[in-house]
Amino acid sequence: AQSVTQPDIHITVSEGASLELRCNYSYGATPYLFWYVQSPGQGLQLLLKYFSGDTLVQGIKGFEAEFKRSQSSFNLRKPSVHWSDAAEYFCAVGRMEYGNKLVFGAGTILRVKS
Amino acid sequence: DAGVTQSPTHLIKTRGQQVTLRCSPKSGHDTVSWYQQALGQGPQFIFQYYEEEERQRGNFPDRFSGHQFPNYSSELNVNALLLGDSALYLCASRPFGDSSYEQYFGPGTRLTVT
Repeated sequence: AQSVTQPDIHITVSEGASLELRCNYSYGATPYLFWYVQSPGQGLQLLLKYFSGDTLVQGIKGFEAEFKRSQSSFNLRKPSVHWSDAAEYFCAVGRMEYGNKLVFGAGTILRVKS
Repeated sequence: DAGVTQSPTHLIKTRGQQVTLRCSPKSGHDTVSWYQQALGQGPQFIFQYYEEEERQRGNFPDRFSGHQFPNYSSELNVNALLLGDSALYLCASRPFGDSSYEQYFGPGTRLTVT
């Protein structure tokens, strides 16, 4: 069965420091990959997505992610974190044959200290 | 352009009761999916509606049912509520056949079962 693993439940970084959130997936083939962000009491906002082509994708709010097929990973990065980035981040995967269904990881809570 | 809207925002019900949650998709979208997000977990796919029919279903019991109306809005019904049904219920929409597979999420309905 398909699965998505986000190994870090919580991450704390200092404002201005770099950030990397990890995501690994288990699928038979390359899926569609997404990163969403959720602020407290809010819905999910799409940060970026990967379908094919360049394995380094740029998203909103200065985020980027790199798809590594050999490692089945899609890690999210940001070179300099801002206090407003504190939120929960979800990695999700989908596949064309599964239609609309997205499978989400359990999420990583990002705390930013000043 | 209004995004995905959901009502109500919060809801408190008692075990055994029934509940109906509502979703209006983003303008131009005709496919609606519902997800359950329990506390501390990632969203889990419940089902998807297109052309007023359930097209795909996740691993949820028959107590969970839905409906889609001709204007593409949707309802999620849960019967015989259990304490474990307490969660944030998210609605997501997209245009059918959109090759990007991107879904737009609403703010969610927080259901508490006591």
